[in-house]
Amino acid sequence: QLQLQESAPGLVKPSETLSLNCTVSGGSLRSSYYWAWIRQPPGKGLEWIGSIYSSGTTYYNPSLKSRVTIFEDTSKNHFSLKLSSVTAADTAVYFCATLSMPQFWGQGTVVTVSS
Amino acid sequence: QSVLTQPPSASGAPGQRVTISCSGSSSNIGSDTVNWYQQVPGTAPKLLIFKNNQRPSGVPDRFSGSKSGTSASLAISGLQSEDEAEYHCAAWDDSLNGYVFGTGTQVTVL
Repeated sequence: QLQLQESAPGLVKPSETLSLNCTVSGGSLRSSYYWAWIRQPPGKGLEWIGSIYSSGTTYYNPSLKSRVTIFEDTSKNHFSLKLSSVTAADTAVYFCATLSMPQFWGQGTVVTVSS
Repeated sequence: QSVLTQPPSASGAPGQRVTISCSGSSSNIGSDTVNWYQQVPGTAPKLLIFKNNQRPSGVPDRFSGSKSGTSASLAISGLQSEDEAEYHCAAWDDSLNGYVFGTGTQVTVL
């Protein structure tokens, strides 16, 4: 049974870069899973940010593509999200998950963009 | 910017049946399978239905999914108080080359 845990940066200043890690336990990042970052702004729906396959191929939401990078660190068994030039609109709960079957989700971490 | 459209709310009395719709297009629901998630406030979404109508292990058979053309539906029969949650549909979109979610439907048990 996989377990996913997001890191917790908490507060990020406008124009800075948001960095999050998702640590995977109970399994290997090099398995056939399809890893993803998803976010949910306060009171709003879910938004897919992007995904990375076990092959290393990445896909990003076109609306965020110019600011997003997703990469993996197999030595630490985690994958990461970097979102640059953040604004208040990037305030959300950020989830990491596998979107292949079976699916597993992290509990989510709150990120607030504010000076 | 949700690509899939759901009604904002749905409700029913205990024991009743509730149906939630999810409307998309030929590039998402029309060409790929649909997943449904249940989300209780303050928690992560839980996969309820995958590949249009399949239930992961542990999901009660009161939950069922269907798809026709560019729309999909989630039905909850024998509504129970613990079913009160937000429900999201999702599918891969070939045009966006990404995973898209619905606008979300809040289900209330009266």
